[in-house]
Amino acid sequence: ILNVEQSPQSLHVQEGDSTNFTCSFPSSNFYALHWYRWETAKSPEALFVMTLNGDEKKKGRISATLNTKEGYSYLYIKGSQPEDSATYLCAQGATNAGKSTFGDGTTLTVKP
Amino acid sequence: DTGVSQNPRHKITKRGQNVTFRCDPISEHNRLYWYRQTLGQGPEFLTYFQNEAQLEKSRLLSDRFSAERPKGSFSTLEIQRTEQGDSAMYLCASSKGTTSYEQYFGPGTRLTVT
Repeated sequence: ILNVEQSPQSLHVQEGDSTNFTCSFPSSNFYALHWYRWETAKSPEALFVMTLNGDEKKKGRISATLNTKEGYSYLYIKGSQPEDSATYLCAQGATNAGKSTFGDGTTLTVKP
Repeated sequence: DTGVSQNPRHKITKRGQNVTFRCDPISEHNRLYWYRQTLGQGPEFLTYFQNEAQLEKSRLLSDRFSAERPKGSFSTLEIQRTEQGDSAMYLCASSKGTTSYEQYFGPGTRLTVT
């Protein structure tokens, strides 16, 4: 993996379904992995930042895991709600806290 | 509101014109970043500042693009002789310190070049 890649590109689920997305990134020289939620017409909102292999973070119904050795992170949403509809971005942070390299995002649509 | 603010939110300009965008970071944040996002893609890094010093520039930042942060507070991004390919969302983010992991984003400026 040379770039940050996210899958799937888009996802449509029914209210109440649980879902998960994948972020793959170069495992060499890992520093930090960020997850953001970006709703239309709003600023991207930071969800999680993870730095250690095996990290697990949780915020309400949303949780994330990190595997730095194999270069992937999963974002899970339990019991999706319509307000969870957004684009979810992951980004790999640079070693000097400089630029972040983003994936192209997963757009989630939750139907009531 | 003490978040990152960007102005204008939308800009429509004709090809060949110059445009300037402004970003006001969170007040105690010493790092400021500019990204560009086009439809269907994630944000691409353009440049970042630590205080007033521009520390890194992407090769995406052609000679038509210039960014400044003269007093280490707000920043401006200028695009000269705009081209249709410059149409995008321009995002600004800020962070605190030199090792902070978290970047806080503004709402972006949507540029349309006709």
